Amino acid sequence: GAVVSQHPSWVICKSGTSVKIECRSLDFQATTMFWYRQFPKQSLMLMATSNEGSKATYEQGVEKDKFLINHASLTLSTLTVTSAHPEDSSFYICSANGGSYNEQFFGPGTRLTVL
Amino acid sequence: GENVEQHPSTLSVQEGDSAVIKCTYSDSASNYFPWYKQELGKGPQLIIDIRSNVGEKKDQRIAVTLNKTAKHFSLHITETQPEDSAVYFCAPRGGATNKLIFGTGTLLAVQP
Repeated sequence: GAVVSQHPSWVICKSGTSVKIECRSLDFQATTMFWYRQFPKQSLMLMATSNEGSKATYEQGVEKDKFLINHASLTLSTLTVTSAHPEDSSFYICSANGGSYNEQFFGPGTRLTVL
Repeated sequence: GENVEQHPSTLSVQEGDSAVIKCTYSDSASNYFPWYKQELGKGPQLIIDIRSNVGEKKDQRIAVTLNKTAKHFSLHITETQPEDSAVYFCAPRGGATNKLIFGTGTLLAVQP
């Protein structure tokens, strides 16, 4: 149980285009999902907290107009990187709260490369 | 904000030896203490966690110990195997939020 999926697993796009990443909780409902970014050989950095039915809460320094988050249902959250640039190239990982003690379960990640 | 540090940053052991990774945090209100294993190109996988009302938890070859007074908790892996090679992260959860604060990570290499 407690499986989180992400789609796509990798994407390559041109500079200036937008990219949407989906995060799904497959066997449980998640009122809260989280989006992280991880650069090579670094730790995970929380970008935003996504709450079903309400606006996402962004961490300091993360541009909400650039990283659009939508959490329209209890099993799906999406992250859209708008007007992507090469510096946005990174590994994006989502997680969802679930389980008896509100553990966080992580998706497999999405590798974004902006040319 | 919360400060989370891990030591060592890299650890190389021989197969069959034990490995210990320590995580130090600053938020005294933290109440949940998980350890994650991340293999190359994959998302983190929860391997063991502990809550603030217990001092130790064990699951086969993996154990976690917690010292709330000193604000640190440790991951113990016994009888290490090559497939244990990965990056390990601690990620204590703050008392006031649902947020996990990830440590700096420890690269564990188990030599066959």
